[in-house]
Amino acid sequence: DQQVKQNSPSLSVQEGRISILNCDYTNSMFDYFLWYKKYPAEGPTFLISISSIKDKNEDGRFTVFLNKSAKHLSLHIVPSQPGDSAVYFCAVKPGNTGKLIFGQGTTLQVKP
Amino acid sequence: NAGVTQTPKFQVLKTGQSMTLQCAQDMNHNSMYWYRQDPGMGLRLIYYSASEGTTDKGEVPNGYNVSRLNKREFSLRLESAAPSQTSVYFCASSYDRDSEAFFGQGTRLTVV
Repeated sequence: DQQVKQNSPSLSVQEGRISILNCDYTNSMFDYFLWYKKYPAEGPTFLISISSIKDKNEDGRFTVFLNKSAKHLSLHIVPSQPGDSAVYFCAVKPGNTGKLIFGQGTTLQVKP
Repeated sequence: NAGVTQTPKFQVLKTGQSMTLQCAQDMNHNSMYWYRQDPGMGLRLIYYSASEGTTDKGEVPNGYNVSRLNKREFSLRLESAAPSQTSVYFCASSYDRDSEAFFGQGTRLTVV
């Protein structure tokens, strides 16, 4: 059973517009959420995170929103740039083990 | 600034062969992890080591063994490779359970 789901395998947006990537999770006990970005032939790199005590965290062009009642989080990229084209993974860090549970990933293409 | 280094980058094995994937980090991190990435599945945790001298199973440990050789190195061994182990393997490390994880570039393994 997939505990973290990214239901959109791909997303295409125009440069300068907003990209919205979505993620759903099943366990209401999860309390720390992360987004990783992955380019081809590279390992994932940490992008942004949010704790369950917040509903929004912003870092430059990247904002993560958390809706605990819906068990849903989203990553907004504004404005989108061609260099943002990559696979984006949503992840949760349950408990205090350091382990990560990943979603399936969403491939974002930003067209010039 | 090497970060997390994995060797080899590519490997082709025949069914039944054994091999060890090597991982080393130079960031003085305490925790290390092995994930595998398969199409449509995201990354799944195979084994992790919360600190030197300890190892624990992750979500998909069957068919694998690990060794935390010292603080820097965490190896993953396939004793008898199977086609189902064809995947991209990522090693990661973090300072502790609460810190972000840094990933290596990955090892693309094909078992024929």
